[in-house]
This record gives sequence, C-alpha cells and structure tokens, in this order.
Amino acid sequence: DTAVSQTPKYLVTQMGNDKSIKCEQNLGHDTMYWYKQDSKKFLKIMFSYNNKELIINETVPNRFSPKSPDKAHLNLHINSLELGDSAVYFCASSNQGHGGNEQFFGPGTRLTVL
Amino acid sequence: GQQLNQSPQSMFIQEGEDVSMNCTSSSIFNTWLWYKQDPGEGPVLLIALYKAGELTSNGRLTAQFGITRKDSFLNISASIPSDVGIYFCAGQRGYGNNRLAFGKGNQVVVIP
Repeated sequence: DTAVSQTPKYLVTQMGNDKSIKCEQNLGHDTMYWYKQDSKKFLKIMFSYNNKELIINETVPNRFSPKSPDKAHLNLHINSLELGDSAVYFCASSNQGHGGNEQFFGPGTRLTVL
Repeated sequence: GQQLNQSPQSMFIQEGEDVSMNCTSSSIFNTWLWYKQDPGEGPVLLIALYKAGELTSNGRLTAQFGITRKDSFLNISASIPSDVGIYFCAGQRGYGNNRLAFGKGNQVVVIP
C-alpha cells in the first residue's frame, strides 16, 4: 500500500523517559512534517524537512529532535517527556513546489505521558 | 502562525440533509484544501482547490475557492452516517511554500 505509516500507534510512558516515533512514506514525496494535535483537535505544525533538510522549525522545546535519515523517513525523538507532551502526533508528506501543497497524513501516534 | 476561521465548530444533522461549512481568512491564499478526520485516524484529503472561483466535486462533496481568495466552503449533500468526523480546512499562502494553515475543525455528527 502506498501511504504514510507511523510506529507505534500508541505509546504510554512515564514522565522523564525518552521515546521515539518513526515515520515512513512511500509516496515518493520530498517533504515530510510532524504535527501535534491536542485534546481540542487543533493541528499544530512542529517541523518540516525537505530532502533531509530542516525547513520549518516552530517554537518547539529542544527536547524534541527530528531526524531524517533519507527523504522517505522522518523520525521524532523526545527527551525527558513531560505531562504536557501527551497528544496525538501526526506525520505527513507532500511534494514541495509550484501548484499546491497536498499533504498526506499518517494514522497518528497517541502519546500518553503518566 | 496564520489561523483560519472555520465555522461552525460543530453541527448535528439528520441523515439525508445537506450540510455546509466555511473557512475564512484575513489573508489571501493560493490553495485551499479540505480534510476529513475519522476517530483514531489521520486527516484524509477530500478536495484541493487551486484557482479563485474554482468549484470542485468529489462524490457528494462540493467545495469552492472564494473569489476574494480569502475563503472557501465545503458542502456535503444527502449526508449519511459515515460522514461523521472532523472536517478541517487548510490554506497555503505561497506557491512552493509548503506551510499549511489549518482551521480548528468542524465536528459533524449525523443522526440516523
């Protein structure tokens, strides 16, 4: 299946732990994103990478560190997890360029910090 | 970042009814997108609009790119139970600019 996939789907962990979420897309897109969706369902952009280069870095604590080993993968590592990090994290991908920016989303990772 | 004003925030409709929702901005956008999010899933792209005045349909869905380029609307005709979900509008301001601004979503509930 052509898609954006994320692992894990659910992640429950203790405060202070370090965790990673992985994202892969096989759509041949050159740009990938991480979004955070809070309890009110608001989608907030966190990071964007184009061809492995960071191009969007919103005001996100530096405990969050994205890594893009190649343009098909964008992982998110979170250090010293806090209660407020609990949310659903979505990965997305698109092709940058003239004509629009149709972003395709993964299924999400629900992170619960206890 | 730029926010889009999406209204209404929620709506309860009877099965078979038509539903309309809109999205406005104080800024001009070059692209408007409409997404639907089912519970426990990621947003799925429904319709993409690229030209002012453009009217595009996808099955029972119809969306329009406003002439002023500051708004867009989405209509769902003859709603069915599986139309339940959160509908998001999203806009892109510049060509090649890959940042999307999202509305806060519209929760649609269809009553059988």
